[in-house]
Amino acid sequence: NAGVTQTPKFQVLKTGQSMTLQCAQDMNHEYMSWYRQDPGMGLRLIHYSVGAGITDQGEVPNGYNVSRSTTEDFPLRLLSAAPSQTSVYFCASSRSGTGGEKLFFGSGTQLSVL
Amino acid sequence: GENVEQHPSTLSVQEGDSAVIKCTYSDSASNYFPWYKQELGKRPQLIIDIRSNVGEKKDQRIAVTLNKTAKHFSLHITETQPEDSAVYFCAASFYNQGGKLIFGQGTELSVKP
Repeated sequence: NAGVTQTPKFQVLKTGQSMTLQCAQDMNHEYMSWYRQDPGMGLRLIHYSVGAGITDQGEVPNGYNVSRSTTEDFPLRLLSAAPSQTSVYFCASSRSGTGGEKLFFGSGTQLSVL
Repeated sequence: GENVEQHPSTLSVQEGDSAVIKCTYSDSASNYFPWYKQELGKRPQLIIDIRSNVGEKKDQRIAVTLNKTAKHFSLHITETQPEDSAVYFCAASFYNQGGKLIFGQGTELSVKP
């Protein structure tokens, strides 16, 4: 039981490049989400999903796309990277899609956009 | 929109003293309020949570109180120890929007020996 697995751990991009951050969980969790963490701004919700085929926007969705084709996977796509997207990204999941459950976080991805 | 405000942003206490961190939320439909601890370079970990039908919950040296009328909740850590030094985040779950969790800005707690 690996929990929530994020790849890569570190990534450097040039402005305008695209890439996908991978997230997978093996706990059969309904709810999955992506957060970005910037100094002094806490954890801000980018996108979330309450089940396969269902996604919705969070607080800061611009510049990011997601899809949820399976229960296990929830990739985050940066369409055209900008320096403002330099951040630490966390994927997190919880058992229930209706809320009120403990969030399990991945180990994070440190992204730098030059 | 939904919002969670957290204060203070930094907090320094002497070992053995108590620490209190406060949060307010905007959506009266919120029904779940967890607290996460994040040590330097690590992922956030849940330390305690409370639901809207409960006013207070304790777990050893940690307690959380909830005032639904005022829409605020607080984390209390008693007999602080150096290993309590970390960043603490409050959060609120907005049940009527798929249970998404919104976090406060975080409090960096430093416990001095």
